[in-house]
Amino acid sequence: GEDVEQSLFLSVREGDSSVINCTYTDSSSTYLYWYKQEPGAGLQLLTYIFSNMDMKQDQRLTVLLNKKDKHLSLRIADTQTGDSAIYFCAYVNFNKFYFGSGTKLNVKP
Amino acid sequence: EPEVTQTPSHQVTQMGQEVILRCVPISNHLYFYWYRQILGQKVEFLVSFYNNEISEKSEIFDDQFSVERPDGSNFTLKIRSTKLEDSAMYFCASNLLAGADETQYFGPGTRLLVL
Repeated sequence: GEDVEQSLFLSVREGDSSVINCTYTDSSSTYLYWYKQEPGAGLQLLTYIFSNMDMKQDQRLTVLLNKKDKHLSLRIADTQTGDSAIYFCAYVNFNKFYFGSGTKLNVKP
Repeated sequence: EPEVTQTPSHQVTQMGQEVILRCVPISNHLYFYWYRQILGQKVEFLVSFYNNEISEKSEIFDDQFSVERPDGSNFTLKIRSTKLEDSAMYFCASNLLAGADETQYFGPGTRLLVL
């Protein structure tokens, strides 16, 4: 069945790198996604990676995909207090998005 | 940059009342969706809509729920007789589905509280 797992919390110091990990069970999705949710706000598309890629870099964000292990990660370089939010890993299958539980990133000044 | 909008941002209602949640998808998008997120839980798919009809719905989307595209811009979710367990954040999403791009763009959500 479809399942996406993420660790629930991550705490880092401002300026450090953050790595948020995700594992998933369904390998048929063309794209895998990272969404960001700030407190009280909606889901903001951060970045996505095509399933045939291993890595995608977008400014401070690096997405790594290990398709064999069904493991997706999001690295945020030089993490800022404004990066504090919940980060959701997601994939789409037949037009339905499947989300992980979200990882709450806390950035300490 | 075009975005999905939703109204209201918050709604409080009494159990048994009807609510209508409104969404304006991105204007050239063809596929529309509703998801919900119960506090502290995962975002869950409710329903997808294309060409003026439901494409797919989850088991959550029972007879109490309905969707409609009443005009060329709005997409609504109606809950006929709300229950306490309908309290959640409801997200609308849309996409164009051009080629292989299935990326869905989400609205800011409507937080529904049923008392």
